[in-house]
Parts: sequence; structure tokens; C-alpha cells
Amino acid sequence: DQQVKQNSPSLSVQEGRISILNCDYTNSMFDYFLWYKKYPAEGPTFLISISSIKDKNEDGRFTVFLNKSAKHLSLHIVPSQPGDSAVYFCAASGTGTASKLTFGTGTRLQVTL
Amino acid sequence: NAGVTQTPKFQVLKTGQSMTLQCAQDMNHEYMSWYRQDPGMGLRLIHYSVGAGITDQGEVPNGYNVSRSTTEDFPLRLLSAAPSQTSVYFCASSYSRRTGSYEQYFGPGTRLTVT
Repeated sequence: DQQVKQNSPSLSVQEGRISILNCDYTNSMFDYFLWYKKYPAEGPTFLISISSIKDKNEDGRFTVFLNKSAKHLSLHIVPSQPGDSAVYFCAASGTGTASKLTFGTGTRLQVTL
Repeated sequence: NAGVTQTPKFQVLKTGQSMTLQCAQDMNHEYMSWYRQDPGMGLRLIHYSVGAGITDQGEVPNGYNVSRSTTEDFPLRLLSAAPSQTSVYFCASSYSRRTGSYEQYFGPGTRLTVT
């Protein structure tokens, strides 16, 4: 049973436009959500996180939105750059389980010129 | 500050062989974890530790052993390798009492092939 789902395996966006990556979760005990970026042959790199007490967190070009009632979060990248091309993973953890992340299957983002 | 380091980067084993994947962190993090990544499945938690001397099982622990004798090191042992353990293994660390941050930081991975 996939508790964190990323239903779009891939996304292609033009440089300068907005990239929106989506993630759904089923476990209502999750209260901390993270986005990771992964290049080939490298480990995932932490991008941005959000606690369930917030509905938005912003860091430069990256914004994460959380809709708790819909159990949905999204990552917005504005403006998209070619260097953003990577696989993006959504992850979640529950209270007291910060060492245990549950990951989605990832979305491959390609930013074209 | 090297962050999270993993050795080796690549390994080929024969079925039934045993080996240890090494992981070390120099960020004074309390928590350490091991994940495996398989095609189309994201990362899955194998074992984790919330401090020296404390370990627990994750989602896919069978066939793996861990111990945590120091804060810095968290080796993963494959007891008797099987082809189903062919995967990319990532070690991660998180939680600093000093910063209060829970974000996990990952090593570069070990690509393991079992024939």
C-alpha cells in the first residue's frame, strides 16, 4: 500500500515557466513533509519542507503548498531553469518518527530551452 | 565537513556471500537510516537508528543487519546476498540537537549487484 503517491512519472516544462509537482498521501498521522531532488548517480538532496501546522512554505524559487483536508501537497518552481531537471521525490514522516521517511516514487522533471 | 559518506560506491557479490556497506556522518546527527532504491519504487526504509546503541526495523529489513556503536557510523550488513538485494543503497542522517532540524541528508549511494 503506497502511502505517499506521485502519480506523474514525468513532467516537461519550458525554461522560465512554472513547474508544479504533485504528491498525495493517505496516512493521516503524517505531519512533516519534504521534497528531495535527485540527480543520476547521486544521493537525494533536501530541497524544502513543510510542517502540518502550515499551508505554505517558500524558499527562493521553491514553494511547497499543503492541503491537509485533501491530503495533497505540491511543489512549485518559478521560474524553472535547465538545472532543475532531475527526479523529485516527495517524502513524509509522522510525529516522533523523523528518522523514518516514507517516499513517493518520484517525478522526473525536464526543463527544456 | 564531508557530510554523509558511503563506501564502496559499487560492489558485485555472488549469491550467498556476505558484506558490509559502510556509512559515516560528521554532522553530529542523532538519527541515521538506510534506504534502498529500486526502479519505479522510490526509496524504502531498511533499518534506522535514533542514537548509539538503538536500532529498529524499517519497511524492508529482511536479509539485513545493522548496529550503531558510535554516533558517527552506521554499517549495513548483508548476511547472505540474494539477487533480490540488487539495488542502490542510500544512507541518511538527520536531527541535530543544536539546530533542531529534522531534514535527512543522504550519502552518494552504493550500487550493489548480486549475481
